[in-house]
Amino acid sequence: DTGVSQNPRHKITKRGQNVTFRCDPISEHNRLYWYRQTLGQGPEFLTYFQNEAQLEKSRLLSDRFSAERPKGSFSTLEIQRTEQGDSAMYLCASRSWDSIYEQYFGPGTRLTVT
Amino acid sequence: KQEVTQIPAALSVPEGENLVLNCSFTDSAIYNLQWFRQDPGKGLTSLLLIQSSQREQTSGRLNASLDKSSGRSTLYIAASQPGDSATYLCAVYGREGAQKLVFGQGTRLTINP
Repeated sequence: DTGVSQNPRHKITKRGQNVTFRCDPISEHNRLYWYRQTLGQGPEFLTYFQNEAQLEKSRLLSDRFSAERPKGSFSTLEIQRTEQGDSAMYLCASRSWDSIYEQYFGPGTRLTVT
Repeated sequence: KQEVTQIPAALSVPEGENLVLNCSFTDSAIYNLQWFRQDPGKGLTSLLLIQSSQREQTSGRLNASLDKSSGRSTLYIAASQPGDSATYLCAVYGREGAQKLVFGQGTRLTINP
């Protein structure tokens, strides 16, 4: 059984460039979440998918951010025209349909915008 | 709006001590509460999950309690070891249908040999 995987693990980009991150959830988990974590803070919710449907988005998710989960399996998070303030750890989590609601997190993608 | 606070922000203790980490939340209408561990530069590892109907959960040297009415949870670590050094985060899940975890800022724990 593999856990949640994320790629790449680290990304360094110049301001103004576009970046895309991928998350592969635990197989058969139909719920998928993206969170962002800045240094010294707890993660903050960005967006949530149930199967392929994006059901909730945070106000943190500006127009430069877009997330997809085209076939209800893996998900991508794209940031357009990156800014230095986008530097953070981007975490993906998944959970099953059961009633316990336990979320399982991936290792994260560390983004540095120079 | 749900807010989660963890005190203290950092804690340093000698090896072998028992310790308690605190978590408080403003809205008592939660569905469950999770405690996580995070090593530097890594993702989150789930330690314990307490459902709203439960008072505590135990796993090895860890015990987590939940008092919904007062909006508090504690994580008790027995016989601490240097390998327990990490940041500990608590997160609450809102009422069923609110599909996200709300996290505290974490407690950075250092166990000195």
